[in-house]
Amino acid sequence: DVKVTQSSRYLVKRTGEKVFLECVQDMDHENMFWYRQDPGLGLRLIYFSYDVKMKEKGDIPEGYSVSREKKERFSLILESASTNQTSMYLCASSPPGLATGANVLTFGAGSRLTVL
Amino acid sequence: QKEVEQNSGPLSVPEGAIASLNCTYSDRGSQSFFWYRQYSGKSPELIMFIYSNGDKEDGRFTAQLNKASQYVSLLIRDSQPSDSATYLCAVTPPGGYQKVTFGIGTKLQVIP
Repeated sequence: DVKVTQSSRYLVKRTGEKVFLECVQDMDHENMFWYRQDPGLGLRLIYFSYDVKMKEKGDIPEGYSVSREKKERFSLILESASTNQTSMYLCASSPPGLATGANVLTFGAGSRLTVL
Repeated sequence: QKEVEQNSGPLSVPEGAIASLNCTYSDRGSQSFFWYRQYSGKSPELIMFIYSNGDKEDGRFTAQLNKASQYVSLLIRDSQPSDSATYLCAVTPPGGYQKVTFGIGTKLQVIP
């Protein structure tokens, strides 16, 4: 069964801490994404990557950075966590190219981050 | 104006009825349209996608796309309590085929 695996299901961090959220996919997908999901705001795209070492800003990149050193792994980094970054973080991947359905996302289980 | 708009609900329907979920999008050049289902505490999973005007059927689910009206809908026939979930509409903008934008989702409650 294909999978997107997020390393931590629940995290509690303190304001100012550096936080790493890890995501690994085993589908050989080129595209990987980080979203955050908040009540009333839905899923919002933070960053995405279409190739190793390539990244593009999404709609809300401020306060975040990403790293993609290997095709299967996409990391989200909060350099200095703040309370407004308390959220559910969802990693996703999708196949490459412009073929119909290429944008179909497979999500990980999510990482619920609480910043105190 | 939000790129993808949905009524957050909840939408309540009796078991066995047809549930109709609606979504509008702002960018006329949007290319592909998706419906995801998300159970409480779980991550979204794809139900179906559509990219041509008209209807697309998959079992009890029918997606309808009207590009002229910038409107996409999902019909669920013979609704079951297990269909109770939040349904997310998602759209890819023109040229940004990797970037998928989501609506806030509509919560559906199927009453036994």
